[in-house]
Amino acid sequence: DAGVIQSPRHEVTEMGQEVTLRCKPISGHDYLFWYRQTMMRGLELLIYFNNNVPIDDSGMPEDRFSAKMPNASFSTLKIQPSEPRDSAVYFCASSLLLGNSYGYTFGSGTRLTVV
Amino acid sequence: RKEVEQDPGPFNVPEGATVAFNCTYSNSASQSFFWYRQDCRKEPKLLMSVYSSGNEDGRFTAQLNRASQYISLLIRDSKLSDSATYLCVVTLSGSARQLTFGSGTQLTVLP
Repeated sequence: DAGVIQSPRHEVTEMGQEVTLRCKPISGHDYLFWYRQTMMRGLELLIYFNNNVPIDDSGMPEDRFSAKMPNASFSTLKIQPSEPRDSAVYFCASSLLLGNSYGYTFGSGTRLTVV
Repeated sequence: RKEVEQDPGPFNVPEGATVAFNCTYSNSASQSFFWYRQDCRKEPKLLMSVYSSGNEDGRFTAQLNRASQYISLLIRDSKLSDSATYLCVVTLSGSARQLTFGSGTQLTVLP
């Protein structure tokens, strides 16, 4: 299994530009999460999906952020327009209930820099 | 108040030392508890789950005190490869799928 795949690994963009981050979860996992990590705030949950349906987006910072999961094998996180304070590492994770525990796997992350 | 609080460190210890990390959580209805490890510029990875009775995995021992809402991780005979940030993680009641992370404790094991 290739694990959770995120792209791009690094993204540098100018303020005001649209940024799209991509994630391919592990096949068969029914939950997908988007997290953001900064030095100041640590790891924060932005949004999560169950069977492609958004369940909780209360962590999405503002309307500039949107996330979609059009099918079980693909999700995007879009920022439009981007701002320097959006600079962070964005992680995607997927999980599957295994007995009484959840197997979470994180992708390698996208390091976003907005200048 | 943060939902999960950890001493940020850094902890700098010599190889072979024993080191302990502590974590407190604010929601008494929290259901599941974990320690994750994150290497520099890498993704978090599960180190171990934490059970009420306490559990051990080789050199690592995790303890949970529900009454005090306190979790600990003990590393014995520390190795250079243990250098990383250790994240305390809980899942909240009604949101069993969502991981809530502490800010992490940075450990450096020195030769």
